Amino acid sequence: SQQGEEDPQALSIQEGENATMNCSYKTSINNLQWYRQNSGRGLVHLILIRSNEREKHSGRLRVTLDTSKKSSSLLITASRAADTASYFCATGRYSSASKIIFGSGTRLSIRP
Amino acid sequence: GAVVSQHPSWVICKSGTSVKIECRSLDFQATTMFWYRQFPKQSLMLMATSNEGSKATYEQGVEKDKFLINHASLTLSTLTVTSAHPEDSSFYICSASPGARGGSYEQYFGPGTRLTVT
Repeated sequence: SQQGEEDPQALSIQEGENATMNCSYKTSINNLQWYRQNSGRGLVHLILIRSNEREKHSGRLRVTLDTSKKSSSLLITASRAADTASYFCATGRYSSASKIIFGSGTRLSIRP
Repeated sequence: GAVVSQHPSWVICKSGTSVKIECRSLDFQATTMFWYRQFPKQSLMLMATSNEGSKATYEQGVEKDKFLINHASLTLSTLTVTSAHPEDSSFYICSASPGARGGSYEQYFGPGTRLTVT
């Protein structure tokens, strides 16, 4: 089963612009993670935000979490062609177990 | 650190045969390993969770007799797709977590195995 829905399903922007992807989930969580996946490849862990955090930064990435709305957003600033990939959010419900459930994903294309 | 490998990276088999996929944690001991399946342009769907030395826990709708999971050591888990059919063709991804013993519950993902059943 899938925990979350991501929107948009697909996003195409010009290089240099900012990309924002949203994730909504259904049940209470302990943490939320964002992953990147290049076509036909494995997953790259981008960032983890805990349920008691509201915002986190890592390089050009900014993640927000609103537990009252059960939603999160991933912002990629100053996008580059290499950012072209699928992005998934994944939620973990428990602090003592690492089972995570993935959202539906957003396919991001960066136009040169 | 925290490297997970999968073997093979791709495999083609005939309908009715069985295929074994290996997942190894190369530089850490994995208390727990997870198996996911991903169809084209879709998300990862968790199939099962396996803890070293115990039976795997399968997600609802996943046939445990068809997808045999063995987690015999802290660095190796195997997924065997038995009597494979074309609809089993998919991208199979494993992940491994050190767990409490390793001080981290983060999952580290393998590069995936593409299975094509003809």
